[in-house]
Amino acid sequence: DGGITQSPKYLFRKEGQNVTLSCEQNLNHDAMYWYRQDPGQGLRLIYYSQIVNDFQKGDIAEGYSVSREKKESFPLTVTSAQKNPTAFYLCASSILLGGTGEQYFGPGTRLLVL
Amino acid sequence: DAKTTQPPSMDCAEGRAANLPCNHSTISGNEYVYWYRQIHSQGPQYIIHGLKNNETNEMASLIITEDRKSSTLILPHATLRDTAVYYCIVRAKGNNNNDMRFGAGTRLTVKP
Repeated sequence: DGGITQSPKYLFRKEGQNVTLSCEQNLNHDAMYWYRQDPGQGLRLIYYSQIVNDFQKGDIAEGYSVSREKKESFPLTVTSAQKNPTAFYLCASSILLGGTGEQYFGPGTRLLVL
Repeated sequence: DAKTTQPPSMDCAEGRAANLPCNHSTISGNEYVYWYRQIHSQGPQYIIHGLKNNETNEMASLIITEDRKSSTLILPHATLRDTAVYYCIVRAKGNNNNDMRFGAGTRLTVKP
């Protein structure tokens, strides 16, 4: 089945530690996105990528980093510079040209700080 | 992208139609109206989108006013599994740079 997978479902981070969240898609989509969601809030864009080896900052990129070495993969690293990382992280992908504009979302990773 | 305004919460009886409103008075001519929903602790799910004509699919109907300043998502026969947060988003279809602007949405509770 085509879709987006995120792992792990839950992730625990110690103070001062970097952690990486995985996002993989087999939909052959060009564009991929990372969002952060805090309790009771909407989604906020962290980073997005429209093509391999290129990515752009979203609204809240500070304390995060990404890479796009393969079309299928868009991992997100939450660095120690992110002082309030506890949140629900969602990855999405979409067709860049000619599509409906719909974004397909993964199941999310919940990050907790110990 | 145009901003949207939605009520924070709504209730609906099971089996009845759920009508979720959205105001988007600053929508531009090339911007579409998209609806997504998010069931607790899951990723958002696309429901429907439209430009100016009313749209219907297997999940819902979308009614857009003639002046395009507001729209209504209709779930014709709500079930308990439709309990979720519903997001209304307006954006140009070709704009993939800063998508999607999810606000707080409307929390729909379907009651037995």
